[in-house]
Amino acid sequence: GQNIDQPTEMTATEGAIVQINCTYQTSGFNGLFWYQQHAGEAPTFLSYNVLDGLEEKGRFSSFLSRSKGYSYLLLKELQMKDSASYLCAVRGGGATNKLIFGTGTLLAVQP
Amino acid sequence: ETGVTQTPRHLVMGMTNKKSLKCEQHLGHNAMYWYKQSAKKPLELMFVYNFKEQTENNSVPSRFSPECPNSSHLFLHLHTLQPEDSALYLCASSQSTGISGNTIYFGEGSWLTVV
Repeated sequence: GQNIDQPTEMTATEGAIVQINCTYQTSGFNGLFWYQQHAGEAPTFLSYNVLDGLEEKGRFSSFLSRSKGYSYLLLKELQMKDSASYLCAVRGGGATNKLIFGTGTLLAVQP
Repeated sequence: ETGVTQTPRHLVMGMTNKKSLKCEQHLGHNAMYWYKQSAKKPLELMFVYNFKEQTENNSVPSRFSPECPNSSHLFLHLHTLQPEDSALYLCASSQSTGISGNTIYFGEGSWLTVV
């Protein structure tokens, strides 16, 4: 079967660093996406990894290890506006753009 | 503003009603998608359209009927729904349905409540 696992909830402090982990088991792999979703809003694209290693984009970084079926999203210098749900999604095997999503990690940033 | 607009944002309907959800994308994309997001569950892919043609139906019950008149517009026609169909319905688009550097962009969703 296909499975994406990520923690349900996390809490962190403003100004700190938080790491949200995602492990996956899928039939085939064609890239991993992270999306941010504020309550009542659209999921917005954060990052894309298809090769092993770290992709950095401002305060956000995403890491991928294909051999371990593992990714993390690293958020630095946390701000209150970073409180949101973070969705890990894997594009599985085959030639079509189908994403398999995890249930999302609800991050609460506290003062 | 993600470039994908959905209406209505909120819809309450009875089990015998017929209603439609509308999606329009302003990104020049050729592929459009319907996803369902229920509480505590992962986003579920429902339908995929590429150049107006349906390429994927993820075993969705026939009470959900999609329509794609052109590459910019996508509808989801709803009839005789059940209370368990209450969820957030997300429309999305991408350049194509291929896998090469192809990010999916989502609309803000339509909150559906079936009473």
